[in-house]
Amino acid sequence: SQTIHQWPATLVQPVGSPLSLECTVEGTSNPNLYWYRQAAGRGLQLLFYSVGIGQISSEVPQNLSASRPQDRQFILSSKKLLLSDSGFYLCAWSQGTGTEKLFFGSGTQLSVL
Amino acid sequence: AQSVTQLDSQVPVFEEAPVELRCNYSSSVSVYLFWYVQYPNQGLQLLLKYLSGSTLVKGINGFEAEFNKSQTSFHLRKPSVHISDTAEYFCAVSANSGGSNYKLTFGKGTLLTVNP
Repeated sequence: SQTIHQWPATLVQPVGSPLSLECTVEGTSNPNLYWYRQAAGRGLQLLFYSVGIGQISSEVPQNLSASRPQDRQFILSSKKLLLSDSGFYLCAWSQGTGTEKLFFGSGTQLSVL
Repeated sequence: AQSVTQLDSQVPVFEEAPVELRCNYSSSVSVYLFWYVQYPNQGLQLLLKYLSGSTLVKGINGFEAEFNKSQTSFHLRKPSVHISDTAEYFCAVSANSGGSNYKLTFGKGTLLTVNP
């Protein structure tokens, strides 16, 4: 069966520090991978998606970047965190041509202080 | 582009009462529709989805939703809720463009609180 792992679960970082959140998927090949951010009262915002190794699409301009160094690994990064980067970050994957069903990781609560 | 409006940010109900969580969408093309549930400090799980066919969709945990194209709605219902249904519920839409589609647009969520 397929599983998705996301870590860390919580993270407290000072403003200006770097960020690296990692997500891996097991039990499937060539998944579509996604990073979402959830801010209080604002729903989920798609940040990045990837349909293959090295293929990254950015949905909104921001202080973050994503990379997919391996088929089932998706990394969210920042060189210098801002206060506004605080939020709940969710990794997700889907199979096939699109978003018929997304499987979500358990999320990372990021607090930038 | 698609958008989703969840009309109620919070819905408190008593246990065993019926509940309806409202969702309206807008899109210039036909859509796929979804409801996801998020329990505290967890990721999201798919409750149900409408891709095509019957407009009444049944999902997990006794939930169902009805796609109404004329009203551009996809309301979620359950005839009798349990304490364990307390969670945040998200309506989502993606374009049925006939090809690859990778963007799922979520509503802001509705917090369902079931009280004893």
